[in-house]
Amino acid sequence: NAGVTQTPKFRVLKTGQSMTLLCAQDMNHEYMYWYRQDPGMGLRLIHYSVGEGTTAKGEVPDGYNVSRLKKQNFLLGLESAAPSQTSVYFCASSRGTYSRELFFGEGSRLTVL
Amino acid sequence: TQLLEQSPQFLSIQEGENLTVYCNSSSVFSSLQWYRQEPGEGPVLLVTVVTGGEVKKLKRLTFQFGDARKDSSLHITAAQPGDTGLYLCAGAGGGADGLTFGKGTHLIIQP
Repeated sequence: NAGVTQTPKFRVLKTGQSMTLLCAQDMNHEYMYWYRQDPGMGLRLIHYSVGEGTTAKGEVPDGYNVSRLKKQNFLLGLESAAPSQTSVYFCASSRGTYSRELFFGEGSRLTVL
Repeated sequence: TQLLEQSPQFLSIQEGENLTVYCNSSSVFSSLQWYRQEPGEGPVLLVTVVTGGEVKKLKRLTFQFGDARKDSSLHITAAQPGDTGLYLCAGAGGGADGLTFGKGTHLIIQP
């Protein structure tokens, strides 16, 4: 019953460093999403993918890149981390447009010093 | 940009009391969902409402979708400490992009 798995769960970076967050889902879902959650701001969509090899920008895409080389994996990259990217990042997946239920991972807490 | 406003932002009540959380927007949504999130975990879906005026019940929780599909409410009867958590409403547009989330209501039920 893995569902959506995110790695790592915690990470501390220095400004300017790069890193990649990995999201893996075992439900054969077509759609995958990356959100960030900040106090007082709610969940905001960063990037999403409607299928293998496709990605699209969400509400707050600047400073992030994504890739979906395999259907089950969705990677979120930070090329040059900034303190403003300190947040909790959530990956989610869904079956498709008709079923909009999102299945979330447990989150990855990132701190940029 | 579609916005969802939730109220209240924080709510602390005694066990056994009733409460209502509101989710309002000026936009029309094709469907609206309610999620519950506990500390250190991701949100978990409680319910999806699709039809204007729809009412769904989940044990002591009653969800309603506004007739115009712009707003929703969550009513909890006889709240229990296990209901404590962050409640999020989320609206779906017509496309494939992700849901638009409200900022959430932090609910604390005191024994």
